[in-house]
Amino acid sequence: EAGVAQSPRYKIIEKRQSVAFWCNPISGHATLYWYQQILGQGPKLLIQFQNNGVVDDSQLPKDRFSAERLKGVDSTLKIQPAKLEDSAVYLCATGEGRSRWGEKLFFGSGTQLSVL
Amino acid sequence: AQSVTQPDIHITVSEGASLELRCNYSYGATPYLFWYVQSPGQGLQLLLKYFSGDTLVQGIKGFEAEFKRSQSSFNLRKPSVHWSDAAEYFCAVGKQGNQFYFGTGTSLTVIP
Repeated sequence: EAGVAQSPRYKIIEKRQSVAFWCNPISGHATLYWYQQILGQGPKLLIQFQNNGVVDDSQLPKDRFSAERLKGVDSTLKIQPAKLEDSAVYLCATGEGRSRWGEKLFFGSGTQLSVL
Repeated sequence: AQSVTQPDIHITVSEGASLELRCNYSYGATPYLFWYVQSPGQGLQLLLKYFSGDTLVQGIKGFEAEFKRSQSSFNLRKPSVHWSDAAEYFCAVGKQGNQFYFGTGTSLTVIP
């Protein structure tokens, strides 16, 4: 079974530039999450989708971050403009979406962003 | 408010020795608890989870964890560590709506 695919693997940009990350979930997975993992910290949820609808984006800095999930499949996360503190690994995770409690998450390998 | 504390930032054990990674949680209701492992350059992989029932849960790769409500703990254990277990380990608590809160992680080094 193919896993969660993310690209690019690495990205280096200068502050105030824009960047986009892409995630392709496991086929059939209804839920999709974007997490931010700053070095030395655990993953922090940015946004959660159920199919193509947003379930929770309360921790997404909406002045600079945006995300969409077209047709309930692939998703993109964008940062515009980037700040130094956005340097982190951005993880995409998906789940079957059959349960509202504690579903198993399948994570991609992440995109490591460095903002200079 | 819900939170997860992993008191040990880094642990070093010898190959073949036993392992225990600590996790304490704060959550108002019955928690859903998880342990994930992250190998270098990889995403997180679920080791095990606790929802209810038997407080000792078995996971993949020979890991187990014990839920202790009185101590608000969910410690991860393995009787004999292998070199391939070197990784970052994250404890997480889940709440309704599949909202997960991760601890800061414990980095495990295994020495020959």
